[in-house]
Amino acid sequence: DAGVIQSPRHEVTEMGQEVTLRCKPISGHDYLFWYRQTMMRGLELLIYFNNNVPIDDSGMPEDRFSAKMPNASFSTLKIQPSEPRDSAVYFCASSFGLHGGQYFGPGTRLLVL
Amino acid sequence: SQQGEEDPQALSIQEGENATMNCSYKTSINNLQWYRQNSGRGLVHLILIRSNEREKHSGRLRVTLDTSKKSSSLLITASRAADTASYFCATENNQGGKLIFGQGTELSVKP
Repeated sequence: DAGVIQSPRHEVTEMGQEVTLRCKPISGHDYLFWYRQTMMRGLELLIYFNNNVPIDDSGMPEDRFSAKMPNASFSTLKIQPSEPRDSAVYFCASSFGLHGGQYFGPGTRLLVL
Repeated sequence: SQQGEEDPQALSIQEGENATMNCSYKTSINNLQWYRQNSGRGLVHLILIRSNEREKHSGRLRVTLDTSKKSSSLLITASRAADTASYFCATENNQGGKLIFGQGTELSVKP
């Protein structure tokens, strides 16, 4: 298996632009997680899905952030409009079951100018 | 606030030495997990210890859990330069299963 796949790996955009991050989880995994990592706040859970259904989005910073999982093999995290404070590394992770180890993708490094 | 907090924040040792990292947490947990992150990469799951377990081994890794003190330690024996990375503990609480990550320990193993 190729592991969790994220795209793009790097994104540089200007404030106010829409940003879409993509994730393909490991086949057969029924949980998908979106995290954000910054030096100041560490690794934060934004939202997670079970069988494509959002279960907990309490970590989503504000309405500018939205996430979807239209099928078991694809999820997106969208920021619209983007702001400089959104600059971070965004990780997608997947797991089989909730109570075990999570498999992380390589991350998307986002810079909003 | 962060559930898991690692100590020390940074650790520098020589190859061959043992490295010990500690993690403290605040609430009751289902399990505690340790992850490794190499610079510029995603996190890699190392080991999971359940709340009813006290010690677990995986290769050169040894994890202990003391639920009475709400603390865990990760021991890496006979360290190698390739062990250089940041190590995070993550706790899964018993109210929904989300993982809460600590700020990590940055380990540097010098050849």
